[in-house]
Amino acid sequence: GQSLEQPSEVTAVEGAIVQINCTYQTSGFYGLSWYQQHDGGAPTFLSYNGLDGLEETGRFSSFLSRSDSYGYLLLQELQMKDSASYFCAAASSNTGKLIFGQGTTLQVKP
Amino acid sequence: ETGVTQTPRHLVMGMTNKKSLKCEQHLGHNAMYWYKQSAKKPLELMFVYNFKEQTENNSVPSRFSPECPNSSHLFLHLHTLQPEDSALYLCASSQGGADTEAFFGQGTRLTVV
Repeated sequence: GQSLEQPSEVTAVEGAIVQINCTYQTSGFYGLSWYQQHDGGAPTFLSYNGLDGLEETGRFSSFLSRSDSYGYLLLQELQMKDSASYFCAAASSNTGKLIFGQGTTLQVKP
Repeated sequence: ETGVTQTPRHLVMGMTNKKSLKCEQHLGHNAMYWYKQSAKKPLELMFVYNFKEQTENNSVPSRFSPECPNSSHLFLHLHTLQPEDSALYLCASSQGGADTEAFFGQGTRLTVV
């Protein structure tokens, strides 16, 4: 089957750094995306890794290792507004089709 | 506001009712998607349309019937649903391609009674 595994919950304090890991098993793989979803909101795109290595966008970075079927999202200088659910999603074809992980709920505490 | 609009935002329907969910995007995207989001479960892809043609049906029961009349509009027709179909139904659009960003609507919160 096709699946992505990520932790269900993570808690951190303001200003800290947190890493959310994602391992995947898919029949086809083109790249790994990350989405953020606040309660009651729509998922919004954060990043995409098509190649191995680190992609940095402001306070957020994402990493991919194809050989390990593994990626992570790194959030630095955490702010209260970062409290949300974070989903990794594998592009299993070149059509834009995404397979999502279960999501990690991040709670940022003062 | 993501550029993808879904209506209605909330829907309560009986198991014998027929209703439709609507999704609209004016981002010029070629691909549109329906996802189901249930509590404690990953977003599940239901249908994919590319250039108005259905390219993916992820083993969705026939009580869910999609329709894509043009590249800007996507519908999900519902009939004889079950209580376990209660969920958040999300529409998304993208340019297609593995590396393109998907833009999601706010979703329709469906409750089947």
